[in-house]
Amino acid sequence: AQRVTQPEKLLSVFKGAPVELKCNYSYSGSPELFWYVQYSRQRLQLLLRHISRESIKGFTADLNKGETSFHLKKPFAQEEDSAMYYCALNRPGANNLFFGTGTRLTVIP
Amino acid sequence: DSGVTQTPKHLITATGQRVTLRCSPRSGDLSVYWYQQSLDQGLQFLIQYYNGEERAKGNILERFSAQQFPDLHSELNLSSLELGDSALYFCASSAGRGIPYEQYFGPGTRLTVT
Repeated sequence: AQRVTQPEKLLSVFKGAPVELKCNYSYSGSPELFWYVQYSRQRLQLLLRHISRESIKGFTADLNKGETSFHLKKPFAQEEDSAMYYCALNRPGANNLFFGTGTRLTVIP
Repeated sequence: DSGVTQTPKHLITATGQRVTLRCSPRSGDLSVYWYQQSLDQGLQFLIQYYNGEERAKGNILERFSAQQFPDLHSELNLSSLELGDSALYFCASSAGRGIPYEQYFGPGTRLTVT
């Protein structure tokens, strides 16, 4: 069975500091990993997916199959990054996402 | 605004009752997903429909059922409600049958069972 673990419920960093939101997964095959974000009073939305290998709003995430991790990183946090972040996994060929429990990031001015 | 709408925004009801939550997908999207978000369990996938047919099932209780209508809107029916059913229920839609089509989420319906 697949599982997504986000070990930190809450994470606070100062503006300008690096930020890393951890995500570990358990799945025996080759999963597709995603990060979704929910800003205050807004809807859950896709931030990035590992197959795109892109940087969105300064965030990047690298899939590490050896460590079964997909940590989200940003070198310099901004106040507008404060939000709830969810890591999600899809098994190839499946039709749904398995979400972690989320990490609430607060960027302190 | 993702284009996905959900009604009602809030719902307060008593244990044992039955409620229906409604979701209208983005124009042109054929897939609808339902998720439950509770405080202790996070976002849990419930069920997915594609063009009127059930495509995937997650942790959906037997007391819950859903359907997708010819106009592609979907309804989630929750019956014999229990206190533990209190949660945020999200609907999402996507263009295709599954991943990697991006899912667009609605604002959610907050259900409170008293």
